[in-house]
Order: sequence, then structure tokens, then C-alpha cells
Amino acid sequence: DAGVIQSPRHEVTEMGQEVTLRCKPISGHDYLFWYRQTMMRGLELLIYFNNNVPIDDSGMPEDRFSAKMPNASFSTLKIQPSEPRDSAVYFCASSFDEPFQYFGAGTRLSVL
Amino acid sequence: AQSVAQPEDQVNVAEGNPLTVKCTYSVSGNPYLFWYVQYPNRGLQFLLKYITGDNLVKGSYGFEAEFNKSQTSFHLKKPSALVSDSALYFCAVRDSPGTYKYIFGTGTRLKVLA
Repeated sequence: DAGVIQSPRHEVTEMGQEVTLRCKPISGHDYLFWYRQTMMRGLELLIYFNNNVPIDDSGMPEDRFSAKMPNASFSTLKIQPSEPRDSAVYFCASSFDEPFQYFGAGTRLSVL
Repeated sequence: AQSVAQPEDQVNVAEGNPLTVKCTYSVSGNPYLFWYVQYPNRGLQFLLKYITGDNLVKGSYGFEAEFNKSQTSFHLKKPSALVSDSALYFCAVRDSPGTYKYIFGTGTRLKVLA
């Protein structure tokens, strides 16, 4: 298996633009997680899904952030409108009936 | 609320020497504890976990961790460090029973000097 695949790897955008990050979990995994990593706040869980259903979105910072999982093999994290303080590395992770997770390589987002 | 603390931002150790990366936790109930490693420009990789059983847990790449309930610690160890072990290490704890939400520490950068 190719592991968790995230795209794009790098995204540079201007403030106010919409940003969409994509994730393909490992086939057969039924949990999917979105994290944000910054120097100031470390690694934060934004939201996680089980069987495509959002279970806990308490980490989503505000209404500008939204996440969807239309099927078992694809998820998106959208920021609209983006702001400079959203600049971070965003990780997607997946798991199947086990307490640890497999992480993707991340998307480095820079909002100018 | 559950939490983990990694008191050291950076640990330096000479190649061949034993290494320890510290982690303390605060949870209600039985802890689920984990260590992950992050190499530059990569996602986190699972190293090992403690859920129940022996206090000494063995994981990938020769790492092990010791669960100490009285000291609420879960320190990561390796008998002989390699330069290739240089990376960012994260301790994590499950947020509450029955959840897949985990709280990560702030990370400790390990630098192994040749």
C-alpha cells in the first residue's frame, strides 16, 4: 500500500482565497484524522471521521474551516477564506481498529 | 483534561550512548500512551504503545519505553543511539476511554552527534 496520500504537498495562496487540501487514506481504514502542526501550538487534532461520518470536530478552529469525507477513499479540508494565521503543516492520518495512526507526509500551507 | 508534557525541547546525545526522551502524562483512568517519530518533511511514524501489560514496551528501530504509574511517566529509551535516530519525537495520550482522539506533546528534538 502507498500509505496515506496527501495533495498538494505545498500550497501558497493569498489571504482571502479558498484552499482545499486532499487526503486519500489507506485502503480499508475506517478512521480518518486531520491535524494541524505549528511551532506555536504543536500538533492539534482538527476533526476525525469514522466510516465517513464526522465524530469529533471540536478542534476545528472556526467556521472558515470545513471537512468532508464523501467516501471511504477521499477526504477534503477546506479553508474559506484563508488567513495568514492558517499557515501551517496539515496532516491527514488513518487507522483501522487500532489505537495508533498512519500519517501522510503533510501539506505545507503558506497564506500570504 | 488529559495532557502530556515533554519537558525538554531538545536532547543531545553522542552516537553509541544511551538516550532517554522524557514524557509525563496526566489522565483519569488507565492511560493509552504512544510514541511517534517525525523525520524532516515527513509525517509522524508510530514507534510503540502502552495499553496494558508489561511496563517495559518494545517498539520499532530498537526503541523501548518504560511506563511508570507512580511517576506518571512514559520515557522513551534506546541503549545505543545512532545518528539516524536524529528526529522529532512526540509522546501522545488517548483523550478519554472509547475515543480515537489523542493529545500530542509538544515534541522533543533528538540530536545524535557523531
